[in-house]
Amino acid sequence: QVKLVQSGVEVRKPGTSVKLSCKGSGYTFTDYHIHWVRQAPGQGLEWMGRINIKSGVPNYAQKFQGRVSLTRDTSVSTVYMELSGLKSDDVAVYYCAISVESPAVPSYDHWGQGTLVTVSP
Amino acid sequence: EIVMTQSPGTLSVSPGEGATLSCRASQSINTNLAWFQQKPGQAPRLLIYGASTRASGIPARFSGSGSGTDFTLTISSLQSEDFALYYCQQYNNWPPITFGQGTRLEIK
Repeated sequence: QVKLVQSGVEVRKPGTSVKLSCKGSGYTFTDYHIHWVRQAPGQGLEWMGRINIKSGVPNYAQKFQGRVSLTRDTSVSTVYMELSGLKSDDVAVYYCAISVESPAVPSYDHWGQGTLVTVSP
Repeated sequence: EIVMTQSPGTLSVSPGEGATLSCRASQSINTNLAWFQQKPGQAPRLLIYGASTRASGIPARFSGSGSGTDFTLTISSLQSEDFALYYCQQYNNWPPITFGQGTRLEIK
């Protein structure tokens, strides 16, 4: 079955960077773009960006431009999301997600389990 | 950026009754809208896409309607497992994809 498995909890200091991973299995990895969505504690969902797995071309939310980088390694069916210049308001659970049932639209029917990123001095 | 506004913030309903959740877009998004359910400690779960198409495995008591700027998620005959947070999401004009702030559906 389709699975997205994300890397584990990360703790970073302000101003540093974090690189999270999302490994896809149970499907042809290059068939679906992978999106990243984050959720701060007790808050709503915030879209960060997506990567076209075939071309490797990313799109980012303006809010994160210059701070986020999405890359992929098709040999290990994994996407990486790196966020730099970490601040206290980057504390969140970060999810990767794909649309399998309707791949032409970003309505995510499969999600990773989420990775908690904590930023603390 | 399209702003999505959900109402009410919290909805209290008794099990077995129906619930109607609303979502409004700051400009027309045609029917490019999805609804998600989220329970504590879990990733969101897709309920509806294309404003009215139920995702695979979603019970028929969940239905979506609307187009343009106004959308509704209706849950008929609430079950205990339906009490959760609900988010709408637009994907008509992106980037960025945007979500509503959520409606909490709680047991009355």
